[in-house]
Parts: sequence; C-alpha cells; structure tokens
Amino acid sequence: SQQGEEDPQALSIQEGENATMNCSYKTSINNLQWYRQNSGRGLVHLILIRSNEREKHSGRLRVTLDTSKKSSSLLITASRAADTASYFCATDTGGYNKLIFGAGTRLAVHP
Amino acid sequence: EPEVTQTPSHQVTQMGQEVILRCVPISNHLYFYWYRQILGQKVEFLVSFYNNEISEKSEIFDDQFSVERPDGSNFTLKIRSTKLEDSAMYFCASTTGAETQYFGPGTRLLVL
Repeated sequence: SQQGEEDPQALSIQEGENATMNCSYKTSINNLQWYRQNSGRGLVHLILIRSNEREKHSGRLRVTLDTSKKSSSLLITASRAADTASYFCATDTGGYNKLIFGAGTRLAVHP
Repeated sequence: EPEVTQTPSHQVTQMGQEVILRCVPISNHLYFYWYRQILGQKVEFLVSFYNNEISEKSEIFDDQFSVERPDGSNFTLKIRSTKLEDSAMYFCASTTGAETQYFGPGTRLLVL
C-alpha cells in the first residue's frame, strides 16, 4: 500500500450531515495537508496540520492527526451541496517538501 | 490574494511533438513543483526545483522531461516527445518552504 490512503473511497450524505474522511500514511511526516478538488479542476488547499499538532479547526473543517497511528481525519460539519468534491490528504515527509497524495475520497452532498 | 497561474488551460498535441507548459508561481515563493494527475487517478509528484536547479525528481520524470525557470517569474515544464500516456492534468505548485503548497489551476494535456 502507499503513503496517504484515504477511506472511504466514496461518501454520499445529505445536506446538513457531517462528513468524516480518514487518511493513513506509512512514514514520518513534517506535516499533512488536505486539499479539495472539484471535478476536473485545480487543487484547493484546505488545511495544514503539523506533526506536533493533534487537532486544528478552520471554519466548518476539523482535522485531527494521530502520529502514533499514522492517521488523520477530516471532518466537515453541517455539509452543503457545494462541498461536493474529491478530498485528498497529502503528506510532506521533509527534504524539499514534495507532497505524496492519497487516492482521495469522493464526497457527494445531496440537497 | 496571490495565486499560481498556469497556461495554457488545455493543450492538444500529436504524439511525438514537444510541449511546454507554463506556470507563474507566487512571487515570493522559493520552491517550485510539478505534479500530474492522470484522469481518475491520484496526484503524482514529478519534480521539485529550488535555487535554480532540480532538487528532487520522481521515476516518472525521465529524460523526456525538463524544467526551467527562464526569468524571475516563469517556471516551465517541457516534454520533448510526447507519448499517449503523458495525457494528464499537470499542476504547478509553489511554497515559501516547509509549509502550504499552493497549486495552480492545471493544464489539461491530451496527446493524440
């Protein structure tokens, strides 16, 4: 398996519900970043959490990081139809800071 | 707010032709990257560039690929002789250092 794997692969929820996506990785990291990608479009940075942080919030987003389990979760609260997108975690393992992406979670939020 | 820009947004080319993808990173950033995403697959690292030289490259980045920062603003990716399997979305990214990488909107390359 590879660095940065998300689950579930796909998630379908109703507006107003919370969406939780998980990411696992294999090697030590400097930080972990979450990105959103609307279909066929660019990558939008959502949030960065450093290896010495355990939780971070940004608006309706909450990210946790458990370095002992090498895992992270992204929670989107009170989801909206506009949150429909693919969500990727990406790990920065140091050096020149290349990011290693997971396969992503496709989130569909239904009105 | 500063952003990474890329041109063209779409490029269609014939197999064997050379293509140059262009990026303008955020002006005070020092580290530059190219990534690609084949349709329906994950984003893959190609190359990183710092201090006017390649700092790291992936196995994908073979002799057909090259990068250049010809002036103080542009950052280019050249594919010398395109193959069908080079069809993908190519993303440029930049950062000040060990922090957030900002991505451009991508160039969708189609090789026929």
